[in-house]
Amino acid sequence: EAQVTQNPRYLITVTGKKLTVTCSQNMNHEYMSWYRQDPGLGLRQIYYSMNVEVTDKGDVPEGYKVSRKEKRNFPLILESPSPNQTSLYFCASSLTSGSNEQFFGPGTRLTVL
Amino acid sequence: LAKTTQPISMDSYEGQEVNITCSHNNIATNDYITWYQQFPSQGPRFIIQGYKTKVTNEVASLFIPADRKSSTLSLPRVSLSDTAVYYCLVGDIRGGGGKLIFGQGTELSVKP
Repeated sequence: EAQVTQNPRYLITVTGKKLTVTCSQNMNHEYMSWYRQDPGLGLRQIYYSMNVEVTDKGDVPEGYKVSRKEKRNFPLILESPSPNQTSLYFCASSLTSGSNEQFFGPGTRLTVL
Repeated sequence: LAKTTQPISMDSYEGQEVNITCSHNNIATNDYITWYQQFPSQGPRFIIQGYKTKVTNEVASLFIPADRKSSTLSLPRVSLSDTAVYYCLVGDIRGGGGKLIFGQGTELSVKP
């Protein structure tokens, strides 16, 4: 089944404790992206990647890191999480040819205490 | 980057046609207009995409005027299951435009 998977789905952590949220897709998509969703603010893009080893900042990159060493994986790294990073996070992927359709993962709900 | 503006919320009744308009005054020549649907606690799901004029698929129609500064998503005969948040997105991943800005979304509530 074609899908985007994220792990973990739920995470409660404390300020300053490094964490990684994994994202993987099995559709051979070149483009991958991370978003955060907060009440009243819609979806805001954190980072995106046009292909392996190519990443770039989205609208709200501060406090986050990403890497794209393989085509299928695009982990989101929070080196020193803070409470203002408490949010719902979505990973998405898309082809860079054909439709602009993005396929979204199920989301990761992160709480930073 | 084109910024999109949508109504925050809309109400409708089952069986009615719903039209949600999105403004994108600064749309670039290469940008496409894409609409997504999101249910609570789920990721957004692609509905429809267009560049100009009208596009129709099995679930919706998308109307884009000649100046492309706005677009209208039309949902025919909505049902309770169409209650969701609808997002308009302007951009073109294919053209290397990986930086995307979603609007705040329109929360559609369909009542019996």
